[in-house]
Amino acid sequence: AQRVTQPEKLLSVFKGAPVELKCNYSYSGSPELFWYVQYSRQRLQLLLRHISRESIKGFTADLNKGETSFHLKKPFAQEEDSAMYYCALSSPAGNMLTFGGGTRLMVKP
Amino acid sequence: GAVVSQHPSRVICKSGTSVKIECRSLDFQATTMFWYRQFPKQSLMLMATSNEGSKATYEQGVEKDKFLINHASLTLSTLTVTSAHPEDSSFYICSVRGPNLPGELFFGEGSRLTVL
Repeated sequence: AQRVTQPEKLLSVFKGAPVELKCNYSYSGSPELFWYVQYSRQRLQLLLRHISRESIKGFTADLNKGETSFHLKKPFAQEEDSAMYYCALSSPAGNMLTFGGGTRLMVKP
Repeated sequence: GAVVSQHPSRVICKSGTSVKIECRSLDFQATTMFWYRQFPKQSLMLMATSNEGSKATYEQGVEKDKFLINHASLTLSTLTVTSAHPEDSSFYICSVRGPNLPGELFFGEGSRLTVL
């Protein structure tokens, strides 16, 4: 069974501080990992995917198969980064997306 | 990407009535749509996978007779909450699998159901 765990429900940092949102997964195979973000009063949207190895809005995430982790990082948080962040896992076939519990990031001025 | 629209965005109904929520894929044909439920301050829970022209696949613990899903066309899936009760009050979100990458989903704006 596939499972995604985000240990922190809330993460509060000051503007300019580094941010790391933790995500651990359980999957017997080679998963596809994603981070989705939901800004206030907006719909859920894709932030980044591990296969692209890209940086979006300053965020990066590296898949660590040894630690089964896919932590989301940003060196300098901005107030507009405040949102709910969901880590998600999909099988390579993409038949089903499993979400973690979500982490609310609050960036204080 | 894909544009997904849900209607209504908010609905209030009396206990015992049925409510239909529509999910439309506006700019491409979606053979598969997903229905999620989100409780306050909690994650999204997959309820069912809607397949065009065939029966929906429900997740364990989701009552198929309670939550009727119809995917009659490649651009429309509907979720009907039958004989609604206050505990059915929730945020229901549909999503469409993107045309390009596996696992990439595009979400509707969600429908908030309040059952009195």
